[in-house]
This record gives sequence, C-alpha cells and structure tokens, in this order.
Amino acid sequence: GQQVMQIPQYQHVQEGEDFTTYCNSSTTLSNIQWYKQRPGGHPVFLIQLVKSGEVKKQKRLTFQFGEAKKNSSLHITATQTTDVGTYFCAAGGSGYALNFGKGTSLLVTP
Amino acid sequence: NAGVTQTPKFQVLKTGQSMTLQCAQDMNHNSMYWYRQDPGMGLRLIYYSASEGTTDKGEVPNGYNVSRLNKREFSLRLESAAPSQTSVYFCASRRTANTGELFFGEGSRLTVL
Repeated sequence: GQQVMQIPQYQHVQEGEDFTTYCNSSTTLSNIQWYKQRPGGHPVFLIQLVKSGEVKKQKRLTFQFGEAKKNSSLHITATQTTDVGTYFCAAGGSGYALNFGKGTSLLVTP
Repeated sequence: NAGVTQTPKFQVLKTGQSMTLQCAQDMNHNSMYWYRQDPGMGLRLIYYSASEGTTDKGEVPNGYNVSRLNKREFSLRLESAAPSQTSVYFCASRRTANTGELFFGEGSRLTVL
C-alpha cells in the first residue's frame, strides 16, 4: 500500500485564507517530494526536502520536514485562485519505487 | 525539448481487447515510471524501470506488462482490458532511480467498456 498518508483529502477556502496539507509516514523517510496538479493537468514538481527539520519557502508556500523525518507539511499563506489544484507528497518505497499520497484537493473561492 | 511524451492521449477499449501505451522521454533519464490515477486514490505506481534493462512491480501491477525498449522508451501493455482499468495513466521519468524529481507526461485517458 501507499507509504505516506495525506490529510485532509479536500479543503475549500476563501481567497486570502491560509491552507495546510499534511503528509505522514509510519517509517523514517530519506526525503520527501511535493507536487502540484492543476485540474486536467499532470503533476508538476514543487520541492524536495531532505534534512531533518528542514524548512523551505517558495513565495507564499512553506514546506517543512519533521524532526523525525516521518512527517511533512505544505502551508500556503493567503491563497489565490491560482493555487487551485491537488497537492501530493511522494516518498521512496521498496526498491526504487516512488509512492504518492492520495493528495489534498484545494478549492479556492474568490 | 518535448520532455515526456505519451501516446495515445485518449483511448476507448472493449473488455478483453489489448492495447499498448507508449512513453518516450528526451531528457536522457535513466529511470521511468507508469502510474495510474483514479478519483480519490491519488497516483498509484504500476511498474517502474530503474535503469535500462530492468523493470520492477509497483503497488498495482496486476493486469499490466511493461517493456523498457531502450533508454528513451517505456511502454505499458494491457493484454486483456477490464473495466477496472479505466483510468488516467501517467508516464514519468527521473534522472536516476533515487535522485531528482519526476517529470510527467500529459497523461493518457483510457476507458474500458
């Protein structure tokens, strides 16, 4: 099964509100990646986190990797309609597999 | 550069028919992947090829076969399609098996009647 669990499955916010999605694993991860998929599109890579406690920012997006490397989060400050889409985390599985969480679908209402 | 190219983009099959989804990348990547995406299920790995000449099963390999034809191409075959295989299929590539980001194709929407 999938190695990483993602919550929530859906989130509906008003434009300007903040948004957070969480990714959790029962095992220690070597690294974690985040992707965004716009409606009707394909997943696009956002970022990779490698170090324990790592925090990275991309404009209004903040990515964190937990101290134990078992969880990660993506926080969007002051959402915009362009943030609409599904956000996925992905982590290595057995062998060289790269497994995705089920994703969090974000809907932003103007 | 085209990146990752998948064909066909759309296909309708009848139960029991066979078909092959083609994928090619022009980024000189070593690793290639096939995922399927169903509503509420995220992206599930079907098969991957860590390097030319190798293939491995992912989470949901049953009913599928793959061929890593060369470094550029990785095909996915459905020998006897079933309605449960109705899905959107994504091919992706990566620089190596354990480094780098995944680059995805635009997807192939398959409907099995």
